[in-house]
Amino acid sequence: DGGITQSPKYLFRKEGQNVTLSCEQNLNHDAMYWYRQDPGQGLRLIYYSQIVNDFQKGDIAEGYSVSREKKESFPLTVTSAQKNPTAFYLCASREQGARTEAFFGQGTRLTVV
Amino acid sequence: SQKIEQNSEALNIQEGKTATLTCNYTNYSPAYLQWYRQDPGRGPVFLLLIRENEKEKRKERLKVTFDTTLKQSLFHITASQPADSATYLCALDPRGNNRLAFGKGNQVVVIP
Repeated sequence: DGGITQSPKYLFRKEGQNVTLSCEQNLNHDAMYWYRQDPGQGLRLIYYSQIVNDFQKGDIAEGYSVSREKKESFPLTVTSAQKNPTAFYLCASREQGARTEAFFGQGTRLTVV
Repeated sequence: SQKIEQNSEALNIQEGKTATLTCNYTNYSPAYLQWYRQDPGRGPVFLLLIRENEKEKRKERLKVTFDTTLKQSLFHITASQPADSATYLCALDPRGNNRLAFGKGNQVVVIP
């Protein structure tokens, strides 16, 4: 089945630790995105990538880092510099330049204790 | 600053009635506008896309309008059903980049 997969679904980390969230897609999409969602809030863009080996900061990039070494993969690292990392993280992908729909993963709920 | 605004109050509606949601935007010139549905604890799912030169788009019981003069989109669910209860998100696709921006969403509760 084609789709976009995030793992893990739930993640617990101690304060001060870096953690990496996985996002993989087999839709052959060029563009990939990371969003953060807090309770009762909309999606805020963290980073996005339009092509392999290139990515741009979104609205709330501080404390996060990404890489795009392969078309299929766009991992997000939540660093210790992120002051309030507990949130629901969503990864999405879509075709480049076609202004088409975005496909989302099932999300990773990160809790920092 | 750029804003995408949706009503923060939940819309409670009787089954069978039409639910209407509003999306207003400022400081954007979108060529496209999209609507998504999100259920609790899940990722959003695409519903409809409307282009700037389209006034209206329909899909089954859903209808979307797009008024670039008013900078507003309306999303209608006709003959609403309890299964339509969810949060609906408006998303803009600005010109010149691939940066998809979302509103905060509007919750709909359909009462049987």
